[in-house]
Amino acid sequence: SQTIHQWPATLVQPVGSPLSLECTVEGTSNPNLYWYRQAAGRGLQLLFYSVGIGQISSEVPQNLSASRPQDRQFILSSKKLLLSDSGFYLCAGGDRNSYEQYFGPGTRLTVT
Amino acid sequence: AQTVTQSQPEMSVQEAETVTLSCTYDTSENNYYLFWYKQPPSRQMILVIRQEAYKQQNATENRFSVNFQKAAKSFSLKISDSQLGDTAMYFCAFMTMDSNYQLIWGAGTKLIIKP
Repeated sequence: SQTIHQWPATLVQPVGSPLSLECTVEGTSNPNLYWYRQAAGRGLQLLFYSVGIGQISSEVPQNLSASRPQDRQFILSSKKLLLSDSGFYLCAGGDRNSYEQYFGPGTRLTVT
Repeated sequence: AQTVTQSQPEMSVQEAETVTLSCTYDTSENNYYLFWYKQPPSRQMILVIRQEAYKQQNATENRFSVNFQKAAKSFSLKISDSQLGDTAMYFCAFMTMDSNYQLIWGAGTKLIIKP
């Protein structure tokens, strides 16, 4: 099975500062990759997904962007953070054969 | 629109009891996959069990089993001999074959196991 690495675990950033969250996948090649955001006590909101290098689809128009520079690397970025970007961000890797998604430990982002 | 409904926002049971979490979904597709995920207080999302819609046999993983009723579009999770470590948010989700591998998520059920 896959292992999803995600960092940092927690991040406190001022409004207007840039953001870069990184996710890497171990144990599989050519995975589908996903970025989710989760508000406290709520379900998951899909932000971006990627089925291959350089192929990014956005689900929600927002202040964030994603990139996939390598097969098993997925990056979530922002040029200028907003207060509303605060939340818990989860990266997931998907297995094309089993349709399962495996999740990283998440990043708790607080924008002050 | 494809949706997932978890009608129980919160449940609590005594340790060692059996508990069933409900999930219904709506899709016009015939081929899809169903999942239950667990999110403990650490917030790590963990896959508990999955079910292929084309399989009639209900999936089982140790103390976790599902009751899949395709015609009723129902996918409940049964936890037997519940343990304190089962305390978590539980999310039901499904994925259709033509969805670009995207999961449709329910809002979650908070399960508390009492000692």
